[in-house]
Amino acid sequence: AQSVSQHNHHVILSEAASLELGCNYSYGGTVNLFWYVQYPGQHLQLLLKYFSGDPLVKGIKGFEAEFIKSKFSFNLRKPSVQWSDTAEYFCAVNAGSGGYQKVTFGTGTKLQVIP
Amino acid sequence: DAGVIQSPRHEVTEMGQEVTLRCKPISGHNSLFWYRQTMMRGLELLIYFNNNVPIDDSGMPEDRFSAKMPNASFSTLKIQPSEPRDSAVYFCASTIGGAGNQPQHFGDGTRLSIL
Repeated sequence: AQSVSQHNHHVILSEAASLELGCNYSYGGTVNLFWYVQYPGQHLQLLLKYFSGDPLVKGIKGFEAEFIKSKFSFNLRKPSVQWSDTAEYFCAVNAGSGGYQKVTFGTGTKLQVIP
Repeated sequence: DAGVIQSPRHEVTEMGQEVTLRCKPISGHNSLFWYRQTMMRGLELLIYFNNNVPIDDSGMPEDRFSAKMPNASFSTLKIQPSEPRDSAVYFCASTIGGAGNQPQHFGDGTRLSIL
């Protein structure tokens, strides 16, 4: 069964600091990868996605993620965080066979940005 | 465009009572998901429908939980009888096509408190 690991549960950064959130998955075949963000009191929203092609994916609000197949990783990065980036970030992976491809979410990383 | 609509936004009820959560997916989306989010367990997939048919209900915790999708524009998640440990935020999400290779669009969630 596929699984997703987000090793950082809670990250605290000062504004303008660089961000990297780790995401590792366990599945040897073709995968589709997502990062979602959940701002306080809101629903999950898509940040970015990787299906194929360039392994460096750019998303909204200056976020990017790099798919490294050999490391089974899809880490999220942002060069300079803002207070408004305070949120919970979820990595998700889709992999499977046949007609049903389940999406599995990681446990999330809470990011707190201090002004 | 209207997003995924969930009702109610908040529900507080006493244990033993029946709870019904409602979801209207985005028009044209044929996949619908129910998730439960708690601090302890993160985001858990409860059930997934495709073309109104339940495809994967392996995440439904027990017989007290049931879900229906009578048509393409409406789904319900019912808990009967409810227990305090059911307290959580329940999200509905929808997408186009199969479960995996399209991003999911989430509703605002129902915050459920069982006293």
